[in-house]
Amino acid sequence: QVQLVESGGGVVQPGRSLRLSCLASGFTFSTYGMHWVRQAPGKGLEWVAVVWYGGTNDFYADSVKGRFTISRDNSKDTLYVQMDNLRVEDTAVYYCARDRAGLRGIDWSFDLWGRGTLVTVSS
Amino acid sequence: QSALTQPASVSGSPGQSITISCTGTSSDVGGYNYVSWYQQHPGKPPKLLIYDVTRRPSGVPSRFSGSKSGNTASLTISGLQAEDEADYSCSSHTPSSIFVVFGGGTKLTVL
Repeated sequence: QVQLVESGGGVVQPGRSLRLSCLASGFTFSTYGMHWVRQAPGKGLEWVAVVWYGGTNDFYADSVKGRFTISRDNSKDTLYVQMDNLRVEDTAVYYCARDRAGLRGIDWSFDLWGRGTLVTVSS
Repeated sequence: QSALTQPASVSGSPGQSITISCTGTSSDVGGYNYVSWYQQHPGKPPKLLIYDVTRRPSGVPSRFSGSKSGNTASLTISGLQAEDEADYSCSSHTPSSIFVVFGGGTKLTVL
């Protein structure tokens, strides 16, 4: 079954760190760019970061640049995001999403989504 | 405030057609053919409906169509069905440091 399953969410105090994981199955993970997209409660979607299929390139939204690090382990079919110096405004459901382009690179459209994991930053 | 502007809500009766607009600028929607549309039911993840302005992934019904004119993209749903009631969001790639911008989402109510 083609799916993405996120884990690692929870409640954390401002300034602390958290690492989210996303386990892929049912497709060749190493041939797709992968994104993290978040959605604050009752709000719209916000793109967070992308990593190319080989892990060679990564880019970040300005709101998380310098605090979040996206990475992947293709041997484990797993995507990660390390979130440091968390802020209250980082509270959201975090989705991992597959880029549609595959080996062509990055298409900036997301054709497979996980169910998300909730991160709550609160003192 | 979202980078792309969508109406907060639209409604229609079963069998009718509705159109949801998504307005950006020449730096995103108007400048590139990287507009996508997503459907999201409550408590569920988004689902890709349209990519590259007009293209449908396999499995998406032909009732869903996309278009663009200038800085505004549109999603049209024809032959509305009860299960179409959901939130719809647009997105666009932009070569700026933002990379991807989303609309705030439109809640579709099927009357």
